[in-house]
Amino acid sequence: ETGVTQSPTHLIKTRGQQVTLRCSSQSGHNTVSWYQQALGQGPQFIFQYYREEENGRGNFPPRFSGLQFPNYSSELNVNALELDDSALYLCASSLQGSRAGELFFGEGSRLTVL
Amino acid sequence: SQQGEEDPQALSIQEGENATMNCSYKTSINNLQWYRQNSGRGLVHLILIRSNEREKHSGRLRVTLDTSKKSSSLLITASRAADTASYFCAPHDRGSTLGRLYFGRGTQLTVWP
Repeated sequence: ETGVTQSPTHLIKTRGQQVTLRCSSQSGHNTVSWYQQALGQGPQFIFQYYREEENGRGNFPPRFSGLQFPNYSSELNVNALELDDSALYLCASSLQGSRAGELFFGEGSRLTVL
Repeated sequence: SQQGEEDPQALSIQEGENATMNCSYKTSINNLQWYRQNSGRGLVHLILIRSNEREKHSGRLRVTLDTSKKSSSLLITASRAADTASYFCAPHDRGSTLGRLYFGRGTQLTVWP
């Protein structure tokens, strides 16, 4: 059973650029959630994807968008990067319909915006 | 929002001692989860307690839940240096989507050898 994997692990962008982060869900999981964690803060929910559609969104602007593919892998896209977008971006997978409810997190992608 | 708020923000103890962290939340929950995060790494799920449960154990971990006070506690017994990490509680709202958890700033636990 493979865990949640994210890529890239680290990246540096400049203000105004666009970035795509990738996530492969844990085997058998059909739901993926994305979180943003600024330094010294807890993770903040960005959105969740289930059956390739957005299924819940936190307080993030439309320039944060995502995709989920038929194999349940996912992408997070951020356009027009701002300095405050610098953070650790975490992907978490889960199984919709499961009574457990726990999330399985990847190690994250650390984004620095200069 | 239904953010979990952990207390204390930081806790420093010696190996072998017990560590207790508390969590408060605001509205009705389906369950409450505790996670651990080593510095700069992903979160690891520790334990989930449902709203109709009062206490749950997993190895050296003991979690309690008091829905009347909207609070939970995490006890780590006989702590080890490897327990050094940030600990987060995450209430899961009734009716909320499965993957939507509300994390607070966490408790930074340091265990000295």
